[in-house]
Amino acid sequence: EPEVTQTPSHQVTQMGQEVILRCVPISNHLYFYWYRQILGQKVEFLVSFYNNEISEKSEIFDDQFSVERPDGSNFTLKIRSTKLEDSAMYFCASSQTAQETQYFGPGTRLLVL
Amino acid sequence: AQSVTQLGSHVSVSEGALVLLRCNYSSSVPPYLFWYVQYPNQGLQLLLKYTSAATLVKGINGFEAEFKKSETSFHLTKPSAHMSDAAEYFCAVRVSGGYQKVTFGTGTKLQVIP
Repeated sequence: EPEVTQTPSHQVTQMGQEVILRCVPISNHLYFYWYRQILGQKVEFLVSFYNNEISEKSEIFDDQFSVERPDGSNFTLKIRSTKLEDSAMYFCASSQTAQETQYFGPGTRLLVL
Repeated sequence: AQSVTQLGSHVSVSEGALVLLRCNYSSSVPPYLFWYVQYPNQGLQLLLKYTSAATLVKGINGFEAEFKKSETSFHLTKPSAHMSDAAEYFCAVRVSGGYQKVTFGTGTKLQVIP
């Protein structure tokens, strides 16, 4: 069964550094998403992406964040100048259409020191 | 705005007993409702979804949920718990009308006691 994959599974970085989290969505899906889950808190929506554009974003998704689909298979989340409070599990998801179910990857656990 | 509330952050049941995980939603437009399960160190797996067809929805692993508009509820049930059901369960909502953002509840950790 096709699945969303994410790399790395864990990432440790120093405050102020840039990180790039990578995702490979399901191959025939057209909509891509990032969510995050701070330890002990809810899973929160960050951004959705379609046709090489952001289609929806939350108030969390500020100028520190950016997303990109650099090629036909990868979807990345870049966090510039990481802060301690960016430590969280980041989930990538994809769906075939905007209305179809979103399928989630296993997550990348980011720790900012 | 859309939201879901999950009652009980931790639920313990005996193996073979009924599982009931509660979820109430709030949405100004007809919602799509989901239950996801997260096993330790794994991602979110879709258990089942409600998209305005049948109000009783059957999912994987013997789980089902019933959409009750009058109670704004979407509780998850399973007649007989297995040890393998121990995980964290998330109720989630997405409004219809082209919006993609899924809003999650805080999760309920299910413990199954042998």
